[in-house]
Amino acid sequence: RKEVEQDPGPFNVPEGATVAFNCTYSNSASQSFFWYRQDCRKEPKLLMSVYSSGNEDGRFTAQLNRASQYISLLIRDSKLSDSATYLCNSGTYKYIFGTGTRLKVLA
Amino acid sequence: DAGVIQSPRHEVTEMGQEVTLRCKPISGHDYLFWYRQTMMRGLELLIYFNNNVPIDDSGMPEDRFSAKMPNASFSTLKIQPSEPRDSAVYFCASSLVPWRGGYTFGSGTRLTVV
Repeated sequence: RKEVEQDPGPFNVPEGATVAFNCTYSNSASQSFFWYRQDCRKEPKLLMSVYSSGNEDGRFTAQLNRASQYISLLIRDSKLSDSATYLCNSGTYKYIFGTGTRLKVLA
Repeated sequence: DAGVIQSPRHEVTEMGQEVTLRCKPISGHDYLFWYRQTMMRGLELLIYFNNNVPIDDSGMPEDRFSAKMPNASFSTLKIQPSEPRDSAVYFCASSLVPWRGGYTFGSGTRLTVV
């Protein structure tokens, strides 16, 4: 099993839809997690941190489920500009990234 | 702040040549990471430094790769000799406290070895 795993997608959703991605991790010692967004041919950019209590930033909500060892990202009211690849990252264990989930928001 | 600065943006070189990639981290960031990204393998950590000291280089593919950080404001990743399978985008990232604030990436160097 890979240390950090994501469904590569693509997830094709219409504008205004709600979409969720999961990312599973294998090392229970991992303490912190992040979601990054990467546009085509650009560098990854930090989207949000993932806290045990969950955190919300506008249309984006991140959750951590330690019992099942996964983190999630929920995007509400999808915009065309949300189209990108979303990468999860373990901020403590070997600083590993998942391979990314590609999202396409369709008009 | 200018962010993490990488050079060159693009590099095309012939197999067997030496390639040097450069990175200037954000001032004050104590951690510096080198990642490589390909379609097949995604984003792979090659090596990271803390306070200019290499902490984990287990991701460096083989002896052809070497990285240095002579001071807090400069790091290099060198490939000698280069091979076509080294073709990838190489990212440098820096962070103050990676487990709290994540990292900031540079724009990357797109390396093509022909």
